[in-house]
Amino acid sequence: DAGVTQSPTHLIKTRGQQVTLRCSPKSGHDTVSWYQQALGQGPQFIFQYYEEEERQRGNFPDRFSGHQFPNYSSELNVNALLLGDSALYLCASSSWGGQGASGYTFGSGTRLTVV
Amino acid sequence: AQSVTQLGSHVSVSEGALVLLRCNYSSSVPPYLFWYVQYPNQGLQLLLKYTSAATLVKGINGFEAEFKKSETSFHLTKPSAHMSDAAEYFCAVIPRGNRLAFGKGNQVVVIP
Repeated sequence: DAGVTQSPTHLIKTRGQQVTLRCSPKSGHDTVSWYQQALGQGPQFIFQYYEEEERQRGNFPDRFSGHQFPNYSSELNVNALLLGDSALYLCASSSWGGQGASGYTFGSGTRLTVV
Repeated sequence: AQSVTQLGSHVSVSEGALVLLRCNYSSSVPPYLFWYVQYPNQGLQLLLKYTSAATLVKGINGFEAEFKKSETSFHLTKPSAHMSDAAEYFCAVIPRGNRLAFGKGNQVVVIP
């Protein structure tokens, strides 16, 4: 049974560019959450998607946007990249109305480097 | 806002010695509390969680944590460290909704 799959695993972008990260949730999960983990820090909540809608959002600027598709997979888009956006981006899937964060499954992440 | 505090970013422990990682949370209301482990170049794996069923929670890989409301703590322990325990450990809490709020983490180094 495949867990959470994220692509790509590594990415290098230039300041000002745009990037799209992808996440396929664990089989049976319908909710996707995104986290940003800067070097030496704990993950920070970006937003959560369920039924193709953003349900919760953390303290991130509008440059960060997302999408969820009918098959529950999700994308994270970041526009006008800044050096400070360099981080590991983690996707977590869960079942809406289930155990919530108790039932999270995390992917291995996408390492984004902005130069 | 609900948050967690982990002191000491790097923790060194000898192989076979006790592992103790401290976590304090900032609310007087017993929350949902978690410990996650992150191995190099990997995502987060749930070690254990507290959901008010029992104050002593046993997790995977021999880890356990005790919830102490009077001390607002949820410290993680393992009686005997193994080389494979070298990793980063995060304490987390649910402040609202289904989102997790993480501490800054402890990088555990196991000395042979």
